[in-house]
Amino acid sequence: AQSVSQHNHHVILSEAASLELGCNYSYGGTVNLFWYVQYPGQHLQLLLKYFSGDPLVKGIKGFEAEFIKSKFSFNLRKPSVQWSDTAEYFCAVNDPGGSYIPTFGRGTSLIVHP
Amino acid sequence: NAGVTQTPKFRVLKTGQSMTLLCAQDMNHEYMYWYRQDPGMGLRLIHYSVGEGTTAKGEVPDGYNVSRLKKQNFLLGLESAAPSQTSVYFCASSYGDSLLNEQYFGPGTRLTVT
Repeated sequence: AQSVSQHNHHVILSEAASLELGCNYSYGGTVNLFWYVQYPGQHLQLLLKYFSGDPLVKGIKGFEAEFIKSKFSFNLRKPSVQWSDTAEYFCAVNDPGGSYIPTFGRGTSLIVHP
Repeated sequence: NAGVTQTPKFRVLKTGQSMTLLCAQDMNHEYMYWYRQDPGMGLRLIHYSVGEGTTAKGEVPDGYNVSRLKKQNFLLGLESAAPSQTSVYFCASSYGDSLLNEQYFGPGTRLTVT
């Protein structure tokens, strides 16, 4: 079974700091990769996704992620965080050759101090 | 488009009571999912459906039942609620087996079982 690891459970940053959240998955074949964001009190929404092509994916609000197949990783980055980026971030992976049911990581809680 | 809606938004139950959570989507999605979200545990898949009339167990199905009688609706039932089922429940939907299979989430239902 697929597994997804998010190594940083809690991250605290000051505004303007750079952000990198780790995501590693276990499946060795073709994968679809997602990052979702959940702002306080809200539901999850898609931040960005990777299906194929350019391994550097740009999403909303200045976020980007890089797919490194050899490292089974899909790390999320933002060069300069804002207070409004305070949220929980979830990485998800699915196997397009299989059931298409995604596996989620446990999430990373990001707090940005103004 | 309303997207994914859930009713109710909040509910308090006593141990042993039953209830049904309703999820509705207006995007003609094939796949629908029920998750529970608990602190430090991320999102855990309870049940899912890959089409009208079909359901399948996820990671934590015990104590829950589901039905998908209509494509747009996915019901989650608790027959005899237990305090361990206190959680926030999210419904999601997606196109399923296509490149457009990112998930769309509902606003959540906060359930407390006393």
